[in-house]
Amino acid sequence: EAGVAQSPRYKIIEKRQSVAFWCNPISGHATLYWYQQILGQGPKLLIQFQNNGVVDDSQLPKDRFSAERLKGVDSTLKIQPAKLEDSAVYLCASSTYRRAGYTFGSGTRLTVV
Amino acid sequence: AQKVTQAQTEISVVEKEDVTLDCVYETRDTTYYLFWYKQPPSGELVFLIRRNSFDEQNEISGRYSWNFQKSTSSFNFTITASQVVDSAVYFCALRQETSGSRLTFGEGTQLTVNP
Repeated sequence: EAGVAQSPRYKIIEKRQSVAFWCNPISGHATLYWYQQILGQGPKLLIQFQNNGVVDDSQLPKDRFSAERLKGVDSTLKIQPAKLEDSAVYLCASSTYRRAGYTFGSGTRLTVV
Repeated sequence: AQKVTQAQTEISVVEKEDVTLDCVYETRDTTYYLFWYKQPPSGELVFLIRRNSFDEQNEISGRYSWNFQKSTSSFNFTITASQVVDSAVYFCALRQETSGSRLTFGEGTQLTVNP
């Protein structure tokens, strides 16, 4: 099966600019996650979708981050405006509803200068 | 609260040596799952193993083995006869039943296997 697709692979922006990341999960996977991985740290969950509804966004900085999953398939994560501390790898993952393990994408590496 | 601690930030070994990566976790749930992931330089997280809290049997998969001990809240990972291709960052992660599907990761251990 095809894996989790993410784009772009790399992105460099200036602080206060906006940026968007795209994720296409594995076909049939109802659950989609966005994780933020700052250099030298483990990934941290930002938001979880079940189909097109938000299940957990308790760690999402809602003043600048937003995410949507239209039609329960693809998802977009947006940052507006970006700060220097947002420099990180943004990982998308998906899973079947009952499965305890995820499949991760290769991530988008964001550098804010 | 849930927490995962990987005390070893970096480990360097010579090829064919055995190496153990430590993982200690904290949770108040009685039902939980433990995971190990490998992150090679390319960046994706590769799933290695999942263990639930009711199964303390150790597991072996080729050169990989895992030791789960609830008494010490540890889930250690051993690579036998390490190879250069094992070089990567390894993450231990915890999922509590009461936290839905959220994974809490440790800080990771950078393993370097030198030829």
